[in-house]
Amino acid sequence: QQQVKQSPQSLIVQKGGISIINCAYENTAFDYFPWYQQFPGKGPALLIAIRPDVSEKKEGRFTISFNKSAKQFSLHIMDSQPGDSATYFCAADNAGGTSYGKLTFGQGTILTVHP
Amino acid sequence: DAGVTQSPTHLIKTRGQQVTLRCSPISGHKSVSWYQQVLGQGPQFIFQYYEKEERGRGNFPDRFSARQFPNYSSELNVNALLLGDSALYLCASSFRDSYYEQYFGPGTRLTVT
Repeated sequence: QQQVKQSPQSLIVQKGGISIINCAYENTAFDYFPWYQQFPGKGPALLIAIRPDVSEKKEGRFTISFNKSAKQFSLHIMDSQPGDSATYFCAADNAGGTSYGKLTFGQGTILTVHP
Repeated sequence: DAGVTQSPTHLIKTRGQQVTLRCSPISGHKSVSWYQQVLGQGPQFIFQYYEKEERGRGNFPDRFSARQFPNYSSELNVNALLLGDSALYLCASSFRDSYYEQYFGPGTRLTVT
């Protein structure tokens, strides 16, 4: 019930291409969906987040698309750059419920952008 | 402004020992959460503290405990260490306990031998 499933496990994209990572959730009580970027040996860094009252949010080259009925959300990285090579995690939270800011993370996607 | 800081950076312990990890949140943040990240997996929630009270606990054994101090810094304690406790322990802070972004520190890499 609390799982967040992320795909693909790994992704290779050419420089300038579009990277797409997908996540699906089961718990309809989730109401906050952030994406994190993590480089080796570092903590996750918040990239962008969305709430279910909107279907899309864009910040620079990063866009979240959200489909409430399908219980799916995705991260699109436009004009992917070698510096984007990292592990990306989707997450979900029931911020308005009893879990009090407990993030449930997906399994992660290792993105490699070739020059 | 300084981000979330954690100490120590790395730690090597022997099975059965006890360990204390420390976290200082971003200035002004009153909520601290702890996560365990095993290599190759996503972080798993351990605890959340807000205003020095435990507000959430993940599916971890009682060997794991934590506390938050009046200055909002926090400690995570793990007793009777097992090999499976080897992981990156992450601390995250946020302005409130819900509806606000969580910002992570660099983590403490714990190796249990």
